[in-house]
Amino acid sequence: EAGVAQSPRYKIIEKRQSVAFWCNPISGHATLYWYQQILGQGPKLLIQFQNNGVVDDSQLPKDRFSAERLKGVDSTLKIQPAKLEDSAVYLCASSPLGGPWGEQYFGPGTRLTVT
Amino acid sequence: DAKTTQPPSMDCAEGRAANLPCNHSTISGNEYVYWYRQIHSQGPQYIIHGLKNNETNEMASLIITEDRKSSTLILPHATLRDTAVYYCIAGRGNTGKLIFGQGTTLQVKP
Repeated sequence: EAGVAQSPRYKIIEKRQSVAFWCNPISGHATLYWYQQILGQGPKLLIQFQNNGVVDDSQLPKDRFSAERLKGVDSTLKIQPAKLEDSAVYLCASSPLGGPWGEQYFGPGTRLTVT
Repeated sequence: DAKTTQPPSMDCAEGRAANLPCNHSTISGNEYVYWYRQIHSQGPQYIIHGLKNNETNEMASLIITEDRKSSTLILPHATLRDTAVYYCIAGRGNTGKLIFGQGTTLQVKP
């Protein structure tokens, strides 16, 4: 079974530029999550989708971050404009409906460096 | 969700059992305990979870105290590939949100 795919794996941009990350969850997984992991810290949930609807986006900085999951499969996370403090690893995870609530499958992440 | 406390780091000799403690003294009756690990430059990996009873799978065992205020993750025969940050998470699951703390960095040494 293929895992969660993310691209790109690495991205370097200057502050005030925009950037987008892509995630393809495990086939059939209805729930998709985006996490931000700053160096030395645990991952922090940014947004959670169930199918193509948003379940929780309470920690998403909506003035600069946006995310969509139009067809209930792939998802993109965008930052516009980026700030230095956005430098982090952005992790995508997915889980099936009906499974244990905390059993999530994570992708390898995208490491973003903002200069 | 209950707050968890873990030691920041631990060492373990290769081939020996690694016992990683977690304190969750404010856990409520319907909150589960989940364990994840994160190997360097990879995404977190689910290990095991439990509510009241001890649990075992192919990766590890989870021992939860009778009062549920603490738990221990046991890797029975640690290998160098088990070197990672281990996260203990307690929650009810009503939102599906995992709240990660700082975790314990386990270093397995030859």
